[in-house]
Amino acid sequence: KQEVTQIPAALSVPEGENLVLNCSFTDSAIYNLQWFRQDPGKGLTSLLLIQSSQREQTSGRLNASLDKSSGRSTLYIAASQPGDSATYLCAVYSGTYKYIFGTGTRLKVLA
Amino acid sequence: GAVVSQHPSRVICKSGTSVKIECRSLDFQATTMFWYRQFPKKSLMLMATSNEGSKATYEQGVEKDKFLINHASLTLSTLTVTSAHPEDSSFYICSASAQGEFRNSPLHFGNGTRLTVT
Repeated sequence: KQEVTQIPAALSVPEGENLVLNCSFTDSAIYNLQWFRQDPGKGLTSLLLIQSSQREQTSGRLNASLDKSSGRSTLYIAASQPGDSATYLCAVYSGTYKYIFGTGTRLKVLA
Repeated sequence: GAVVSQHPSRVICKSGTSVKIECRSLDFQATTMFWYRQFPKKSLMLMATSNEGSKATYEQGVEKDKFLINHASLTLSTLTVTSAHPEDSSFYICSASAQGEFRNSPLHFGNGTRLTVT
């Protein structure tokens, strides 16, 4: 059974810091991994999608890496801003129409 | 980009009544839609998977007679919470994907519905 864990659960950093969010999964047989952002009381916004054959994806200040064999992904946020404050969730797709979500990391960037 | 619209964003109802939540894909055909429930500071729990024109597949522990799902068209799925109780109060989110895109495309989410049962 696939299990997805995110560490840390919460993170508070001063503006301008570079930071890394971690996601680990127990079954490496995945098709893709996605990182999402969720603002309070809102739905999820897809940030980056990494296919199982890829090692990383980049979008602006965000970079996501995937090491499928070790069951790990990281989301790197460069030069963090207060507007980056949100909950970040990772999810893996292993087939059979199911995405398994991590518990999320609540990020707060202080001005 | 693909847009999923969910309505209403907030609803308050009395115990024993039923509430319907709509999830629409605005610019693509969604052959499959997912309904999630999210508890405070928790991750998303998949409730059911609905496929257009067929019965929904419910996850273990989710009462299909209480959470009625209808996916009558390629752009609309509805979740009806029947005989609502205070413990049904939660944040419900739908997501959608077009056929065959699960492996290669991002999952698109609605903005969620905050249900409060008094």
